[in-house]
Amino acid sequence: GQNIDQPTEMTATEGAIVQINCTYQTSGFNGLFWYQQHAGEAPTFLSYNVLDGLEEKGRFSSFLSRSKGYSYLLLKELQMKDSASYLCAVLDSNYQLIWGAGTKLIIKP
Amino acid sequence: GAVVSQHPSWVICKSGTSVKIECRSLDFQATTMFWYRQFPKQSLMLMATSNEGSKATYEQGVEKDKFLINHASLTLSTLTVTSAHPEDSSFYICSGRTGDTEAFFGQGTRLTVV
Repeated sequence: GQNIDQPTEMTATEGAIVQINCTYQTSGFNGLFWYQQHAGEAPTFLSYNVLDGLEEKGRFSSFLSRSKGYSYLLLKELQMKDSASYLCAVLDSNYQLIWGAGTKLIIKP
Repeated sequence: GAVVSQHPSWVICKSGTSVKIECRSLDFQATTMFWYRQFPKQSLMLMATSNEGSKATYEQGVEKDKFLINHASLTLSTLTVTSAHPEDSSFYICSGRTGDTEAFFGQGTRLTVV
């Protein structure tokens, strides 16, 4: 079966750095997405990785290792508004998005 | 990024009535539209996938006669919840994609059936 694992909840301090991990086992791979979702709102796109390596975009970076079935989202200089759920999703061989359950990130002052 | 406009943002309807949710891709042509449902504290669950001009493909356990999806053009897809019941109350989100690009989400519709 297809499976995506990410931690249920993480807590971090304002101004610090946090890394949210995602491991996946899917039938085929055509890319990995990270989305941010605030409570009661639709997800918003953060990043897309299809090749191994690190993609940096401002305070957010995303890393992919296809051989390990592993990705992480790195958030720097955390702000209170970064409190949200972070969803990892993999595009499988049929171009269907397989979603993780999401990681709830709590930022404390 | 590209914009998908979804409306209504929220709707309250009586049990037994039907509700239509629209999603429009404003600055791109959505060859594929995905419809998701999210129950509180749960992940997004794919309901169906539709390609422009063809019938939608429903995920297992989703009643195609209850959740009618129409994707008649490259910029418009609709989801109609027929004979809605309280258990259909949920957050419904559409997502559009052109080719193999990232998916762009609508704002979501919170449906409450009373």
